[in-house]
Amino acid sequence: DGGITQSPKYLFRKEGQNVTLSCEQNLNHDAMYWYRQDPGQGLRLIYYSQIVNDFQKGDIAEGYSVSREKKESFPLTVTSAQKNPTAFYLCASSPDRAVRNEQFFGPGTRLTVL
Amino acid sequence: QKEVEQNSGPLSVPEGAIASLNCTYSDRVSQSFFWYRQYSGKSPELIMSIYSNGDKEDGRFTAQLNKASQYVSLLIRDSQPSDSATYLCAVYDRGSTLGRLYFGRGTQLTVWP
Repeated sequence: DGGITQSPKYLFRKEGQNVTLSCEQNLNHDAMYWYRQDPGQGLRLIYYSQIVNDFQKGDIAEGYSVSREKKESFPLTVTSAQKNPTAFYLCASSPDRAVRNEQFFGPGTRLTVL
Repeated sequence: QKEVEQNSGPLSVPEGAIASLNCTYSDRVSQSFFWYRQYSGKSPELIMSIYSNGDKEDGRFTAQLNKASQYVSLLIRDSQPSDSATYLCAVYDRGSTLGRLYFGRGTQLTVWP
């Protein structure tokens, strides 16, 4: 089945720890995105990547890092510098960055800091 | 920063009624417009895309776009309890080399039997 997978579904982190969220897609999409969603809030863009080995900061990149070594993978690391990381993290991908930018979402990872 | 505004709701309609969801955006050069449905605890699902002025119909859903007024709406006909969700409006900005979507905060819809 084609789609976007995220793992884990739930993640618990102690303060001071770095954690990495996985995002994989087998849709052959060029562009991939990471969003954060807090209760009652819209989606806020963390990082995005339009091609392999290139990525750009979104609106709230501080305390996060990403890599794009393969077209199908775009992992997000939440570092200890992120002061309030508890949130719902969503990965998305898009087949065409230049024209219409329809984005499709994975199931999400819910991160809780203990 | 681009602005995408939606009424947060909640919007409550009876089963079988028409639900009307509205969205305004600040940037006149925006090109593409999307509606996503998000059930509680789940990820957003793309339900409608619209790129030119006028109406676009898909089943019980109709998207309406008016670029001159910077306004996009979603109508849901014959609303069902299963339509109860938060609806997110998104606008594509290709003002820079690398395009991105801007999302509104969403409108929560409840359809009661």
